[in-house]
Parts: sequence; structure tokens; C-alpha cells
Amino acid sequence: DADVTQTPRNRITKTGKRIMLECSQTKGHDRMYWYRQDPGLGLRLIYYSFDVKDINKGEISDGYSVSRQAQAKFSLSLESAIPNQTALYFCATSDSWTDSNQPQHFGDGTRLSIL
Amino acid sequence: AQKITQTQPGMFVQEKEAVTLDCTYDTSDPSYGLFWYKQPSSGEMIFLIYQGSYDQQNATEGRYSLNFQKARKSANLVISASQLGDSAMYFCAMREGRGQKVTFGTGTKLQVIP
Repeated sequence: DADVTQTPRNRITKTGKRIMLECSQTKGHDRMYWYRQDPGLGLRLIYYSFDVKDINKGEISDGYSVSRQAQAKFSLSLESAIPNQTALYFCATSDSWTDSNQPQHFGDGTRLSIL
Repeated sequence: AQKITQTQPGMFVQEKEAVTLDCTYDTSDPSYGLFWYKQPSSGEMIFLIYQGSYDQQNATEGRYSLNFQKARKSANLVISASQLGDSAMYFCAMREGRGQKVTFGTGTKLQVIP
């Protein structure tokens, strides 16, 4: 089983719909992140959470919200989806107790298309 | 200013040849780490190699090595003996200080030609 699991893997929906992307991890990491990837723009940070009670906005949080339901679960919501939110979304985790040379661990991504 | 700059949107390399993917970074923090990730067409992010700002030697992992030039603020990835399976997007990323936020570059698409 994957250490970082994202559901769904693919989603096509219509403008105005509410969408939730879910992320769960079995790595026991305390820190979780949501990124979006657009062609030519790389990965940009949407939200991050350093523990269950600590949630922070990233560089592109407008139009998104998150919920850290437990240490292992971090969900991303689009309250009213719009076409320019069409992208590949990644969840990632890291452990604050390890050395800073440890990479983030990524899920396999969710391809979201908004028509 | 961009924290991570990858100036090569796309590159071609002949199979079995070496290739260098460029990455420059910008930070005033003396403690930072640099990462390279590979993203094949299937989409997943695969960690390749890490270089710490205080590391005395350039990092190496198999066919991957990092040409770290601290004064120039560059951390170029060198892939030796390219294989067809190396065709992918490659991202350079930086973590500053002890913070766990990581900033990514825009990526370089590498295509290996038989």
C-alpha cells in the first residue's frame, strides 16, 4: 500500500460544484501539504499543516480550504470550482523530527478537470 | 524574485550521453537544502538527490550527481549515461532553514533520444 494515498485519482466536474480531495498517510508524519501543478509553473503550495491544530495558507490559497481531521488525514476543498482550478493536485508529508535533509513524500496526485 | 530558477523548459540528450539540468536558487538563509525530483509521464514525484548547504562534497546517487556551486547559488543535476527511462520532467526544490516549506522550480522536460 502507498504511504501517501490521494483520492480520487481523477475527477471531472462542472463549474460551481463543491469538490473535496482527500489525502491520508501511514508514515506517521506530522506535517502535511497540498500543492497544485500547472504546466510551466511547477508546484505551488496551497495550504500546509504542521500539526492537527496548525493550518497555514500557502502562496495560492484563494478559492481553497482545508481540514486536518487527524494527524493522518488532510483534505482539500474547492467550495465552488472554477475552470482555472483545473490542475494536478499533490498531497505531501514530512516529519519535523527528522533531519532537514529528508524529502517530502508525495502522493500519486489527483487530476482535476473543471468544465 | 524567484527562489528557484530552472531556465531550461526542455532538453534533448542522446542515449548513453551525460546531461546537465540547471538550477539556481536565491536565499539569504545560511542553512538550506536543495532537492531534485523526477516526474515521469505517469505523474508521480520521485525524489532523486539532496544537497545540504553545509555539505562539503557534492551529492551523488548512482547515475545522479549534483554540481553544487555555493558562491554561484547553483545546484545543477548531472545525469550520466542517459537511459530512455530518464525521459521525464525534473524539478529542483529548496527548503530554507529548519522550516519544512519547500519551494519548487518550474521544471525541465528531458527527452532522451535513442
